[in-house]
Amino acid sequence: AQSVTQLDSHVSVSEGTPVLLRCNYSSSYSPSLFWYVQHPNKGLQLLLKYTSAATLVKGINGFEAEFKKSETSFHLTKPSAHMSDAAEYFCVVSDPGTDKLIFGTGTRLQVFP
Amino acid sequence: KAGVTQTPRYLIKTRGQQVTLSCSPISGHRSVSWYQQTPGQGLQFLFEYFSETQRNKGNFPGRFSGRQFSNSRSEMNVSTLELGDSALYLCASSLAGTSGTDTQYFGPGTRLTVL
Repeated sequence: AQSVTQLDSHVSVSEGTPVLLRCNYSSSYSPSLFWYVQHPNKGLQLLLKYTSAATLVKGINGFEAEFKKSETSFHLTKPSAHMSDAAEYFCVVSDPGTDKLIFGTGTRLQVFP
Repeated sequence: KAGVTQTPRYLIKTRGQQVTLSCSPISGHRSVSWYQQTPGQGLQFLFEYFSETQRNKGNFPGRFSGRQFSNSRSEMNVSTLELGDSALYLCASSLAGTSGTDTQYFGPGTRLTVL
């Protein structure tokens, strides 16, 4: 069965410092992995996705993630946090052959001025 | 291109009532999925429709049902509402949804409160 584990429920950073949100996955197959962001009272927006092409995936708003099969990880990073990055971030794996998404428990990112 | 739209955005119902939520996918998208988001259980898959057929289903009781119309618009229905059904219900659409790699685009959600 597919699953993802987000290792931190909360992450706090200062504006202008790097962001690291950690995600480990479990999959019997070559997984499709996604990061989504949810701002308060909003729906989910796709940041980036990995589908077995390049292991370093670049997304929107300066975010990127690296797929590491040896570590079963798909951590999300950004070199410099902005106040507008404060939101909930979800690491997601898709069920192979279907459109069913399996979500992690989320990481709330706080950005302090 | 317009995004995924969901109506209504907010609903307040009482226990025992039923409710219908609506989702209009992005034009050209044929797959519509529904998710429930609660503080306790997080985001959970309800079901997915493609070409008017339910193709996948999550682990929810039969009180939760849905359908899809020929124009790909979808509705979900919850009967005999319980307090625990209070949640944000999110709809997502994708082109075909058969590979697991299709990007799903989410609507803003319907916030259901059951009193």
